[in-house]
Amino acid sequence: ETGVTQTPRHLVMGMTNKKSLKCEQHLGHNAMYWYKQSAKKPLELMFVYSLEERVENNSVPSRFSPECPNSSHLFLHLHTLQPEDSALYLCASSQVLAGGLGTAQETQYFGPGTRLLVL
Amino acid sequence: RKEVEQDPGPFNVPEGATVAFNCTYSNSASQSFFWYRQDCRKEPKLLMSVYSSGNEDGRFTAQLNRASQYISLLIRDSKLSDSATYLCVVNPGNQFYFGTGTSLTVIP
Repeated sequence: ETGVTQTPRHLVMGMTNKKSLKCEQHLGHNAMYWYKQSAKKPLELMFVYSLEERVENNSVPSRFSPECPNSSHLFLHLHTLQPEDSALYLCASSQVLAGGLGTAQETQYFGPGTRLLVL
Repeated sequence: RKEVEQDPGPFNVPEGATVAFNCTYSNSASQSFFWYRQDCRKEPKLLMSVYSSGNEDGRFTAQLNRASQYISLLIRDSKLSDSATYLCVVNPGNQFYFGTGTSLTVIP
């Protein structure tokens, strides 16, 4: 399935590096999401871009910076990460109703994820 | 209190067995409910949505109990390929909340 693609699939970086994760959706959806999945923890929503809205989880450190140039592409820029940021980063997309994020949403479709290791 | 709570398991069941998972949610205004399946080192994939009247898809049956704020997933005639982590997902209207998942291993 290639509805949502992510690159790279694996990334090892040092704490001083700068890297970017890329996500692309081919489903015609109007909302895209970044999630973090750490071991033994539920998926943690980091950022949402939907229609004209951007929603972010206030607990996400500023060393993570999202960018959404259009409805099909989403980036997560990483800089000066910490070892505890090592996790699986998942991108997802969905179709949000005209009322925006406050209304019930359709199913989310996930990309394969980027497995990140920070040394 | 967590938005979504699941028994993490693991559930180890023999092939052919019936197994049930429950999930509770805290927000009574929740509108959408889903079960996702996640295989080891893979992304979550939608297994089924959960409708108010309950719904069935082959060997899988999902139920919603709004009064008690829980949803359930029943798997009949378990197959080896059902081994995975099952994630309960609830949307109160502003975002998706995921449970930590319930691990299932079906044993030959």
